Amino acid sequence: EVQLVQSGAELKKPGESLKISCQASGYNFPTYYVGWVRQMAGKGLEWVGIVRPSDSDTLYSPSFEGQVTISADRSINTAYLQWSSLKASDTAMYFCARVTGLGIVAYWGQGTLVTVSS
Amino acid sequence: AVQLTQSPSSLSASLGDRVTITCRASQGIGNELGWYQQKPGKAPELLIYAASSLQSGVPSRFSGSQSGTDFTLTITGLQPEDFASYYCLQDNNWPYSFGQGTKLEIK
Repeated sequence: EVQLVQSGAELKKPGESLKISCQASGYNFPTYYVGWVRQMAGKGLEWVGIVRPSDSDTLYSPSFEGQVTISADRSINTAYLQWSSLKASDTAMYFCARVTGLGIVAYWGQGTLVTVSS
Repeated sequence: AVQLTQSPSSLSASLGDRVTITCRASQGIGNELGWYQQKPGKAPELLIYAASSLQSGVPSRFSGSQSGTDFTLTITGLQPEDFASYYCLQDNNWPYSFGQGTKLEIK
């Protein structure tokens, strides 16, 4: 059974760093891109970026380029999304998901709520 | 970047109704479009992929169609569990994009 399990909710202060994780199981992790999707409260879904675990090739949406870092560790089947200096505007739910193509994103993590507040 | 224009943004309907949601792509994306249902506090769930293929386990009252760069999700015979938000997604080229979403509410 394919599963994506994300790390727990985080409460951080502006300027702090953060790394959230998404551990995959039930499939050959290097084979598929893993993406991160942001959803701010009451708003729609936005792609942050995707990573190909086989070679760590990473693509970012223009709005997020330079704002976050996406990475993957094949040895522990885990993808990461990290910030070096959080802002209040980073407050959102973040989902990881396995990307297959043809509009298929069939497997999602449960979401990680990131709250940035002083 | 491909823009997906989804309409309507909200929709009120009654149990048993037939509803349609549309998604127009700003350029050709082949059939690389999926439809997703999302309930509050939950991850999206895949309903339709490749524009018109029904995901395994999804009720047959959900269907998708395509005409060029126009895509449609149809729900025939609304059930109580169908009242949720719906999104289209294209992954034809990066950056991938979602439509703005449609909130389906009970009339």
